[in-house]
Amino acid sequence: DTEVTQTPKHLVMGMTNKKSLKCEQHMGHRAMYWYKQKAKKPPELMFVYSYEKLSINESVPSRFSPECPNSSLLNLHLHALQPEDSALYLCASSHSAREREKLFFGSGTQLSVL
Amino acid sequence: AQTVTQSQPEMSVQEAETVTLSCTYDTSESNYYLFWYKQPPSRQMILVIRQEAYKQQNATENRFSVNFQKAAKSFSLKISDSQLGDTAMYFCAFMKHVGWTSGSRLTFGEGTQLTVNP
Repeated sequence: DTEVTQTPKHLVMGMTNKKSLKCEQHMGHRAMYWYKQKAKKPPELMFVYSYEKLSINESVPSRFSPECPNSSLLNLHLHALQPEDSALYLCASSHSAREREKLFFGSGTQLSVL
Repeated sequence: AQTVTQSQPEMSVQEAETVTLSCTYDTSESNYYLFWYKQPPSRQMILVIRQEAYKQQNATENRFSVNFQKAAKSFSLKISDSQLGDTAMYFCAFMKHVGWTSGSRLTFGEGTQLTVNP
């Protein structure tokens, strides 16, 4: 299994809603990532988890709350988002020892905030 | 901080022909990796090819090859025998070598939209 699975594929939410994005991998990778990508722009790193601990937070607003409950699962909890948070949210994972530079990306969740 | 520059926002090529995408980068690191990712309309980021900075030999993956000029900080991608399925946004990316506990930070260029015409 060489896949990173993200759900849902599409999400529409209001500014007062609470929702969560889910990312799952079963490749034994111990590093997992959240990226945000606006249309026609490159992905921007948000968070990195290494061995289920948050190792990088790129000064992301607190309305985005990551969680890594176990080595296979990564969540992104969303609350009180703004319309400018509408974007594609990509999850990725990598091995922590061999070929740790190779990131495997999911297909993303397209988020629209109304 | 690292920067990655792709100076060609859009390119097109005829099917079966060869095309080269340009990328330059700036870093003070001596140990790093360079990548080309493609993002087709499905929007999944797919690794095309990677190069380790300490290796002088240019990486090759089937129809894809790179021209890595470390002194010039240049990393171009050549696609041979272009196919319709190569139509995608191509991102050049940089990653410095990090410790195994930290995870890895990718810095992307702005991308080049490649269209392969029949």
